[in-house]
Amino acid sequence: NAGVTQTPKFQVLKTGQSMTLQCAQDMNHEYMSWYRQDPGMGLRLIHYSVGAGITDQGEVPNGYNVSRSTTEDFPLRLLSAAPSQTSVYFCASSYGQGYRPGELFFGEGSRLTVL
Amino acid sequence: AQSVTQLGSHVSVSEGALVLLRCNYSSSVPPYLFWYVQYPNQGLQLLLKYTTGATLVKGINGFEAEFKKSETSFHLTKPSAHMSDAAEYFCAVSDLREYGNKLVFGAGTILRVKS
Repeated sequence: NAGVTQTPKFQVLKTGQSMTLQCAQDMNHEYMSWYRQDPGMGLRLIHYSVGAGITDQGEVPNGYNVSRSTTEDFPLRLLSAAPSQTSVYFCASSYGQGYRPGELFFGEGSRLTVL
Repeated sequence: AQSVTQLGSHVSVSEGALVLLRCNYSSSVPPYLFWYVQYPNQGLQLLLKYTTGATLVKGINGFEAEFKKSETSFHLTKPSAHMSDAAEYFCAVSDLREYGNKLVFGAGTILRVKS
């Protein structure tokens, strides 16, 4: 049972480069989300999706894009990387609204460094 | 807006001693409250949650937490610490008026267990 799979686990970028963090889940979850984790700041929500074709912004969406073409996949795109985007990124999924809300299943994280 | 404050970014206890991690929340409506645990180089996993009903909730690995509305608190406790409890712990809150899966996390508390 794979759960939530994130790739890559580590990435180093130069300022201005773009890249995509991949996230896939095999639990048929309706809800998927991306968080970033920074020391002393906990996890902050970047974008989320309540189902295929539906996405919305979280607390810190600037500089990131998402799309949800399938139930399984929820990629996060960095358009033009900046040093402030150096962080650990977590993808999380959950059931739909009303069923065990707040019970998120997390991937193992993607550590991104922007030089 | 909802928020979570975790008192103490680092807590150190001896093996066998009581573990107490503090969490206070701010919410204009009855919240859902959660504790998640993160072991080194891993994603977060759910430890326990409060939704409605009994205010003392039990989770995995002997942890429990009590919802106290009058104190807006949801402190995490364990009677006897084990070396394997060393991890970072996050308190989180969600608002069912908006979407139950959109969690707001605290900054985290790193628990160190001394032998």
